[in-house]
Amino acid sequence: GEDVEQSLFLSVREGDSSVINCTYTDSSSTYLYWYKQEPGAGLQLLTYIFSNMDMKQDQRLTVLLNKKDKHLSLRIADTQTGDSAIYFCAESRGGATNKLIFGTGTLLAVQP
Amino acid sequence: GAGVSQSPSNKVTEKGKDVELRCDPISGHTALYWYRQRLGQGLEFLIYFQGNSAPDKSGLPSDRFSAERTGESVSTLTIQRTQQEDSAVYLCASSSLSVGEQYFGPGTRLTVT
Repeated sequence: GEDVEQSLFLSVREGDSSVINCTYTDSSSTYLYWYKQEPGAGLQLLTYIFSNMDMKQDQRLTVLLNKKDKHLSLRIADTQTGDSAIYFCAESRGGATNKLIFGTGTLLAVQP
Repeated sequence: GAGVSQSPSNKVTEKGKDVELRCDPISGHTALYWYRQRLGQGLEFLIYFQGNSAPDKSGLPSDRFSAERTGESVSTLTIQRTQQEDSAVYLCASSSLSVGEQYFGPGTRLTVT
């Protein structure tokens, strides 16, 4: 099937690290993405990783990819209240369309 | 530069009416996508345009849904005879094919009463 799965909710304290997990089904995925959606706002591309990479770091964000287990994670260091949002992972299967298959989203709540 | 824009931002319509949603992609982006996001769910792919190629309509849920795009400019998504299950946020994204990243507009929230 085309399911991309995420846990629904994560609560952390300000200053702690957050780890949001995602599992996907298609081993032919070429790119994997993390998007952030704040209330009433559109999707903001945070970062992405190519499928032949294991890790990508971008400031406070670290993406880990375990291709064997089809597992993707997003680590946010020093989480701030402004990081509170819904985080979506998405896989791209390339080809002519490059359509994205999205997970259901993880709501990250950051407690002060 | 300007991002992806969509209009209207909100649309309330009666069941059975037709609606038209508009998307202005980022200038120079050749690819354009429409997605639907139902309440509390992830995004569902609807349709994809790339230049003058035939669109990929594989995600359209029924023949009441159609979309057009002229060249690499504006796209319109039309829903005929709207049903309550069509209520959702409709998101448009564009990308430069050489990069692949998709940039999303703010969406149109459609409510069918």
